[in-house]
Amino acid sequence: DAKTTQPNSMESNEEEPVHLPCNHSTISGTDYIHWYRQLPSQGPEYVIHGLTSNVNNRMASLAIAEDRKSSTLILHRATLRDAAVYYCIVANFGNEKLTFGTGTRLTIIP
Amino acid sequence: GAVVSQHPSWVICKSGTSVKIECRSLDFQATTMFWYRQFPKQSLMLMATSNEGSKATYEQGVEKDKFLINHASLTLSTLTVTSAHPEDSSFYICSARDPEGWENIQYFGAGTRLSVL
Repeated sequence: DAKTTQPNSMESNEEEPVHLPCNHSTISGTDYIHWYRQLPSQGPEYVIHGLTSNVNNRMASLAIAEDRKSSTLILHRATLRDAAVYYCIVANFGNEKLTFGTGTRLTIIP
Repeated sequence: GAVVSQHPSWVICKSGTSVKIECRSLDFQATTMFWYRQFPKQSLMLMATSNEGSKATYEQGVEKDKFLINHASLTLSTLTVTSAHPEDSSFYICSARDPEGWENIQYFGAGTRLSVL
């Protein structure tokens, strides 16, 4: 699976949009981009995933670059409950395993 | 949405004893479940993949005889830490693969914090 690079930490003000970047320059054509988040002392939570097109769900939006070498998770209006470690994972559709990197620790400032 | 329940959420045991952790998929059948371990300030590390009705597949470096995994039904997988020692103290997390899609979405339990004295 392709390696991902994320900033170690980010801060954002409450009620502001948050853009969490992820680089995955070695992604292949059959790799999906997954985002999970882990709140303190909890198991990870699925956020969103995509292949080529931008995706929206009730939690977030996923913007995928045209060359697929990077993506951005967008939280449209951050709340204190969005403070978590966000993991960007690239996994081939034929591979059941998810490999977690170090993720981005998001701090929300009231 | 898919719900995975993990029990217990927290356990303290004496060194040398065994501890069993249960992972249940509440509203779907999970043919494949996964067990992870997470040490403080670190990321999740996959320990093993559990398939219903067959033996688990362990990641390199994980002791099969120490971490016994049973996946006897489509809704239950168990992890038994045998003869636990202080270095086994960690946060253990299970997940279940979404049976509907083929994008390999996983749904996670809340985790079990194990402290071995």
